[in-house]
Amino acid sequence: SAVISQKPSRDICQRGTSLTIQCQVDSQVTMMFWYRQQPGQSLTLIATANQGSEATYESGFVIDKFPISRPNLTFSTLTVSNMSPEDSSIYLCSVEGTVGAEETQYFGPGTRLLVL
Amino acid sequence: GQQLNQSPQSMFIQEGEDVSMNCTSSSIFNTWLWYKQDPGEGPVLLIALYKAGELTSNGRLTAQFGITRKDSFLNISASIPSDVGIYFCAGRRYNNNDMRFGAGTRLTVKP
Repeated sequence: SAVISQKPSRDICQRGTSLTIQCQVDSQVTMMFWYRQQPGQSLTLIATANQGSEATYESGFVIDKFPISRPNLTFSTLTVSNMSPEDSSIYLCSVEGTVGAEETQYFGPGTRLLVL
Repeated sequence: GQQLNQSPQSMFIQEGEDVSMNCTSSSIFNTWLWYKQDPGEGPVLLIALYKAGELTSNGRLTAQFGITRKDSFLNISASIPSDVGIYFCAGRRYNNNDMRFGAGTRLTVKP
């Protein structure tokens, strides 16, 4: 399995500011994903980040609000821009990995964001 | 969007009891995954299922991939206090971007 770390683990931010979340993986992976988990809710995919191409965003999420970088095969960042209290969530990085010959998906520990 | 129906939404059980939860979908998935999320942590993969009808165990956990490819269940036997957490099912199609999650089952185990 892949070992995934995220920074920061949590933050409290003021409305109107931006926060960049980093995701580091211990092995090279082709596909990285960013999810949002609002309080008490399930996981919602924000975007898929592939190295060397622009991120692909899901319906309801736009690049201006959630710009993503993927400079290499072990690292990605997600920025939450111009934050409002509605952006208070857990943001999770995820990568595709293999179990034997099969593909599966692993998650980082998450970044807990509170916007005041 | 969320297309998986996961039930029950929450469970309160005594230590030592068995637990069963399931996910159903109106559409077919190629892979079913079960995750556990502890408070303050990210989801941790428990079991992955890749073939219709597949039954897989991981310690006290057993999960099955429904024969119709539209459902899966997770059983926990002889529950212990550290089983407390939220359990999520996830269905995945061959398109790597198309992974859907259930709403989660919140498990409480009373000693």
